[in-house]
Amino acid sequence: AQTVTQSQPEMSVQEAETVTLSCTYDTSESDYYLFWYKQPPSRQMILVIRQEAYKQQNATENRFSVNFQKAAKSFSLKISDSQLGDAAMYFCAYRTSFGNEKLTFGTGTRLTIIP
Amino acid sequence: DTGVSQDPRHKITKRGQNVTFRCDPISEHNRLYWYRQTLGQGPEFLTYFQNEAQLEKSRLLSDRFSAERPKGSFSTLEIQRTEQGDSAMYLCASSPPSGSSYNEQFFGPGTRLTVL
Repeated sequence: AQTVTQSQPEMSVQEAETVTLSCTYDTSESDYYLFWYKQPPSRQMILVIRQEAYKQQNATENRFSVNFQKAAKSFSLKISDSQLGDAAMYFCAYRTSFGNEKLTFGTGTRLTIIP
Repeated sequence: DTGVSQDPRHKITKRGQNVTFRCDPISEHNRLYWYRQTLGQGPEFLTYFQNEAQLEKSRLLSDRFSAERPKGSFSTLEIQRTEQGDSAMYLCASSPPSGSSYNEQFFGPGTRLTVL
């Protein structure tokens, strides 16, 4: 079974600075998808960024980018120019490419933005 | 379209009572998922529908839990004889059949269940 590990329960960053959230996963599959979801306090979860395992190029979405290291099974999220609205729980998630469509989530990292 | 909606947003019940939650996915999304999230944890998969067919159920979904999606539109999740351990946020998500968002799951706001 696949597992996702987020080893940083909490992180904080000064506004306008850069922060990196860590995620590692375990799988025997070669093709899969990885996601970072953001869950603001009392609000619904939204997708931040997505990475297909067959793509070597790291995904970027505006201020958000990932460092995908397939051999190391590592998938970190970098947030540049941090803003107050980035404060949230961030969840790393895994999904296989075939059949089973469920997302397997890590335990999350709570990100605090310091003004 | 305003996204995935869930009703109720909060439910407080006494142990042993039955509860039912509803999820309305984004229109034209044929896939629908239920997850459970306990405090301090990430969501855990419960079950998955493609149209009206329930294609997968987690072992977390005990005999007291049942989910339906009649006509492939909205879905209901029922918990019978609730236990205190059922207290959690129940999340619903949906995804489209094709297109650029094929692999993205769009989440609803959740139903927070408290069992006293």
